[in-house]
Amino acid sequence: GDSVTQMEGPVTLSEEAFLTINCTYTATGYPSLFWYVQYPGEGLQLLLKATKADDKGSNKGFEATYRKETTSFHLEKGSVQVSDSAVYFCALRSSLYSSASKIIFGSGTRLSIRP
Amino acid sequence: EAQVTQNPRYLITVTGKKLTVTCSQNMNHEYMSWYRQDPGLGLRQIYYSMNVEVTDKGDVPEGYKVSRKEKRNFPLILESPSPNQTSLYFCASSFGSKGRGTDTQYFGPGTRLTVL
Repeated sequence: GDSVTQMEGPVTLSEEAFLTINCTYTATGYPSLFWYVQYPGEGLQLLLKATKADDKGSNKGFEATYRKETTSFHLEKGSVQVSDSAVYFCALRSSLYSSASKIIFGSGTRLSIRP
Repeated sequence: EAQVTQNPRYLITVTGKKLTVTCSQNMNHEYMSWYRQDPGLGLRQIYYSMNVEVTDKGDVPEGYKVSRKEKRNFPLILESPSPNQTSLYFCASSFGSKGRGTDTQYFGPGTRLTVL
């Protein structure tokens, strides 16, 4: 079945460091891909998304490119801030489930940024 | 303000005592869903609803019930809670109609449940 695998955390970086959180997926058809962020004590919020191959999603300085050839959707940011400390979830929505809106989530990666 | 609300936010209960967690959205979304979040497991879907009176099982439905009598509300019912249902629960909603597979899901703030 469809699945999402993301790098295990926690990831600890210094402020202004470059960030990469890896995400790969297995899916039938042409899924849409998402990154959600969960700040402490809050629910998940959509960070960015890409709906077809080679699309780049971007928001708040974060970027991720839909790579069909490597089945990947890695999250990157050039210079992280303390306020980026959160848990990040990679997710996919399979085209097979478009009528059911089922989203499959990765296990989450906790990111901590040191001042 | 567009939002998904859940109540209560925190609940401590004992094994076997029936409880209900409410979920409400004000965005006229057709699709609603319940997830549980456990360390190392990400989010797992419990139940979902495509519209009023239409519900179906997700990946981990055992021990839970839901109902969808109104479009805006989607309560989660634990008839006889057990300690393995201690978790963080999230309600989510989206338009979810066929052909709109790119729609964003909006999440509530979460309910932290402890079953002793």
